[in-house]
Amino acid sequence: AQSVAQPEDQVNVAEGNPLTVKCTYSVSGNPYLFWYVQYPNRGLQFLLKYITGDNLVKGSYGFEAEFNKSQTSFHLKKPSALVSDSALYFCAVRDSRGYQKVTFGTGTKLQVIP
Amino acid sequence: KAGVTQTPRYLIKTRGQQVTLSCSPISGHRSVSWYQQTPGQGLQFLFEYFSETQRNKGNFPGRFSGRQFSNSRSEMNVSTLELGDSALYLCASSLGQGAGNTIYFGEGSWLTVV
Repeated sequence: AQSVAQPEDQVNVAEGNPLTVKCTYSVSGNPYLFWYVQYPNRGLQFLLKYITGDNLVKGSYGFEAEFNKSQTSFHLKKPSALVSDSALYFCAVRDSRGYQKVTFGTGTKLQVIP
Repeated sequence: KAGVTQTPRYLIKTRGQQVTLSCSPISGHRSVSWYQQTPGQGLQFLFEYFSETQRNKGNFPGRFSGRQFSNSRSEMNVSTLELGDSALYLCASSLGQGAGNTIYFGEGSWLTVV
């Protein structure tokens, strides 16, 4: 079975400060990991994914995520937060073995304070 | 390139009725999946289709059904609506059924059951 955990329901950060949104996962095989962002009353937008290769993945809007196999984590980061980054962020995992569905975390609300 | 298109965007139904939601995937995408999003339960996987075949199914009652057509369009149907079915229903598409394929979401269909 695969699972993903986002331990923080909400993260508050001041504009201009670095931000981190945490994600840990559990899969039987190798993980394929994804981050999505959802703005109010909208669908989910893809930010970035890790399949293989470099542990630091760069994505849209200046976001990046670091894959850490030993800690089974895939934290989302941005060096300097913008007020417009305020949204709901979802981490997702899919086992590379077999044909599994994508499992999403419960989401973390990011609030960037001006 | 047009994104995932879902219709209708908003609808209100009465308890006991049935509803059909439609999804047009990104051109060339052959895999379509459906999710239910509610404040209490987060993102819940409903089902996934590839080449008109259901590949995965979530833990929803039989009142929830779906299908995919030869042109990759998909519909989902909910019969005998209950108040608890009120949710945002999200459709997503991906190029293929490989685990590393990115899934792209539509804007969703807001269903309110009264």
